[in-house]
Amino acid sequence: AQTVTQSQPEMSVQEAETVTLSCTYDTSESNYYLFWYKQPPSRQMILVIRQEAYKQQNATENRFSVNFQKAAKSFSLKISDSQLGDTAMYFCAFRYFGNEKLTFGTGTRLTIIP
Amino acid sequence: EAGVAQSPRYKIIEKRQSVAFWCNPISGHATLYWYQQILGQGPKLLIQFQNNGVVDDSQLPKDRFSAERLKGVDSTLKIQPAKLEDSAVYLCASSSGGGQPQHFGDGTRLSIL
Repeated sequence: AQTVTQSQPEMSVQEAETVTLSCTYDTSESNYYLFWYKQPPSRQMILVIRQEAYKQQNATENRFSVNFQKAAKSFSLKISDSQLGDTAMYFCAFRYFGNEKLTFGTGTRLTIIP
Repeated sequence: EAGVAQSPRYKIIEKRQSVAFWCNPISGHATLYWYQQILGQGPKLLIQFQNNGVVDDSQLPKDRFSAERLKGVDSTLKIQPAKLEDSAVYLCASSSGGGQPQHFGDGTRLSIL
């Protein structure tokens, strides 16, 4: 079974700075998807970014980008020009191709300091 | 488009009582998921429906948890009897399937006294 590990329980950064959240995963399959979700205090899980394992190019969404290292099974999230609204829990998640089930990591609590 | 609706937002009960949660997915979404999120952990899938059929309930504690999705739209998740370890946020999500992203509701925070 796949596992997802987030080794940073908490992080904080000054507003406008750049921060990188780490995620590693374990799987024996080659076709899968990786995601970063944001969960603010409102509790709603919001999709931030998605990466298909077969794509070599790293996904980007405005200020959010990933560093996907397939061989190392690493999937980090970089947030540039951080904003106060980025304060939230961030979860890394994994899904096999053809299977809808998401497996989540334990999360990183990110605080943006004004 | 309206998002995933869940109710109630909060629920406090005593152990051994029963409780039910309701979820209304995004219109047209065939796949519906219930997750349990214990404090300090990521969400864990309890059950997945495709229309009104169960696709995966391997992590659902079937001795006390039950779920149904009548007519392939709304869904209810029930716990009977509740235990202290059931204290968690229960999240509902839906998707149109085919690898499309899951959209989550705001969840129900359940506290067991």
